[in-house]
Amino acid sequence: DTGVSQDPRHKITKRGQNVTFRCDPISEHNRLYWYRQTLGQGPEFLTYFQNEAQLEKSRLLSDRFSAERPKGSFSTLEIQRTEQGDSAMYLCASSYYKGGMNTEAFFGQGTRLTVV
Amino acid sequence: GEDVEQSLFLSVREGDSSVINCTYTDSSSTYLYWYKQEPGAGLQLLTYIFSNMDMKQDQRLTVLLNKKDKHLSLRIADTQTGDSAIYFCAEKPMTTDSWGKLQFGAGTQVVVTP
Repeated sequence: DTGVSQDPRHKITKRGQNVTFRCDPISEHNRLYWYRQTLGQGPEFLTYFQNEAQLEKSRLLSDRFSAERPKGSFSTLEIQRTEQGDSAMYLCASSYYKGGMNTEAFFGQGTRLTVV
Repeated sequence: GEDVEQSLFLSVREGDSSVINCTYTDSSSTYLYWYKQEPGAGLQLLTYIFSNMDMKQDQRLTVLLNKKDKHLSLRIADTQTGDSAIYFCAEKPMTTDSWGKLQFGAGTQVVVTP
């Protein structure tokens, strides 16, 4: 396993369309995180999962956004009715958590979304 | 607005030392991190420091933490052109048990000139 993998790397979509991104974490990692990074800014936390359970969602995650991790392995992030303001880099990260101890989070290379 | 602040740009000559500064606001932060992001790439963890430490050295990298002033710095010795990137400071607030839920600054663009 070479790290966190995200697909696609780039996505251009028309405003109003739905898009879905995929993240494959490091295989033994049970925690998975989604972040959004807009141009010139640092990443902002969106949501995270422990196994298949979505434990926390940021206020940034509007009702047009939905994330899933059905089998506790890969995750998908769907954006419905995309808006130009959704244009950003979407980063996924994973870590291993057990008994109150966490490894560091490893990030994928991101999916760059452009809404035209 | 962000709780972690960084200067936006730093230019340094190859071979000199770079110092990137960061201030944070959450005094309960347990860990503070430095990440590097190269163009078109994800984030690479460079180093981190636990809040009860003042300094941490790792090869060319030195992290200094001043908890009283909530100030963090990253010094890169003998800066190379491959060090050109955006450097992010991030904090892990005490209020979360999740290592991955971090509060990032806006990043400092470091440009290394020959």
